[in-house]
Amino acid sequence: GESVGLHLPTLSVQEGDNSIINCAYSNSASDYFIWYKQESGKGPQFIIDIRSNMDKRQGQRVTVLLNKTVKHLSLQIAATQPGDSAVYFCAECVSGTASKLTFGTGTRLQVTL
Amino acid sequence: DAGVTQSPTHLIKTRGQQVTLRCSPKSGHDTVSWYQQALGQGPQFIFQYYEEEERQRGNFPDRFSGHQFPNYSSELNVNALLLGDSALYLCASSLWLAKNIQYFGAGTRLSVL
Repeated sequence: GESVGLHLPTLSVQEGDNSIINCAYSNSASDYFIWYKQESGKGPQFIIDIRSNMDKRQGQRVTVLLNKTVKHLSLQIAATQPGDSAVYFCAECVSGTASKLTFGTGTRLQVTL
Repeated sequence: DAGVTQSPTHLIKTRGQQVTLRCSPKSGHDTVSWYQQALGQGPQFIFQYYEEEERQRGNFPDRFSGHQFPNYSSELNVNALLLGDSALYLCASSLWLAKNIQYFGAGTRLSVL
């Protein structure tokens, strides 16, 4: 399939290890954040979200941390699997009349066996 | 339950031509947003439609226009195509009352020669 991101920052992780993907967001008014996973040839897939009144949220094998003071998000993936290999994007949003998502530049996660 | 579907999957046009891309939202969703994703970058918001009206627009020229139909499906039209319009065009659907929780289709890959 066609590559989603040819020149993205890349994180290489061994299978079974934990992965941490970081994201800096730009708008201090943003109050909702989402992590998406995008595999080659596919659209972004929703992973987990967090609202600005929280600093941590857990899902299945994933945890999102939010630090509003420094406008930083992270996505932690436990026991990384080969199927986790993809490009990961954070997106920020200001809830309101219409809510456009503003995406970060993305990080490519490569899982090695 | 069908997810977001987009057509066509791939399209090749020449400079100056016009193109129409189509999107059917996820069942039960009433809001459609369009994004442009250049190779190696995150998606960029084009516009959002609800109740057949454009509700919010990103930083795209008037050559980009859209429409939403009574069945909530949507079209993206691009006139006077430029080489720089080559990209993956993504449609995302949501509920207006939860419009920041957006689910993406697989996209239409547009190549302008």
